[in-house]
Amino acid sequence: SYVLTQPPSVSVAPGQTARITCGGNNIGSKSVHWYQQKPGQAPVLVVYDDSDRPSGIPERFSGSNSGNTATLTISRVEAGDEADYYCQVWDSSSDYVVFGGGTKLTVL
Amino acid sequence: QVTLKESGPVLVKPTETLTLTCTVSGFSLSNARMGVSWIRQPPGKALEWLAHIFSNDEKSYSTSLKSRLTISKDTSKSQVVLTMTNMDPVDTATYYCALSSGGAFDIWGQGTMVTVSS
Repeated sequence: SYVLTQPPSVSVAPGQTARITCGGNNIGSKSVHWYQQKPGQAPVLVVYDDSDRPSGIPERFSGSNSGNTATLTISRVEAGDEADYYCQVWDSSSDYVVFGGGTKLTVL
Repeated sequence: QVTLKESGPVLVKPTETLTLTCTVSGFSLSNARMGVSWIRQPPGKALEWLAHIFSNDEKSYSTSLKSRLTISKDTSKSQVVLTMTNMDPVDTATYYCALSSGGAFDIWGQGTMVTVSS
């Protein structure tokens, strides 16, 4: 089955840029979606289809996807961005959903 | 406003069958391209996809749990139901239902915590 690999943790100082990667075999050929989950809350979609943002999500959140790596970029990081982030793909050939293992973003 | 809400037992015993209901509002389960998934998250662990039901009633299941899962929907009641047989303590988790309109999960329910213990 398809596997998505994320770093367990990423740390960044306020105002800096955080980059969270999601690795998968030829992931560039798939649409990648990203979720933010704060403690005790349900996940929230922050980027879909590699680089689109749902309404209400700040422009500071952006995404890219190429080759074997997709990346969620958070610019001008704020304390409120501290959360777990998950990538996800839908394998259309088998109608199967896969989540990455999650990355804990710490704002120093 | 689109919302989803999960309901079901808080506690189940090992070997029992779990039945969870997702009640949706603000959209119809028969809308084309709309589907609902069940996703779970054990305490302190990652999200795990379980099953999905499409607007045309087609279903898809996690390979590792397929033998234990059944997903169904009642469009007239705006409900999606998940049953999971032979529950085990390792199935202790928060269970979410989530709406998908094109591959991503746009809207999530608040989740319901299920503990498996004798």
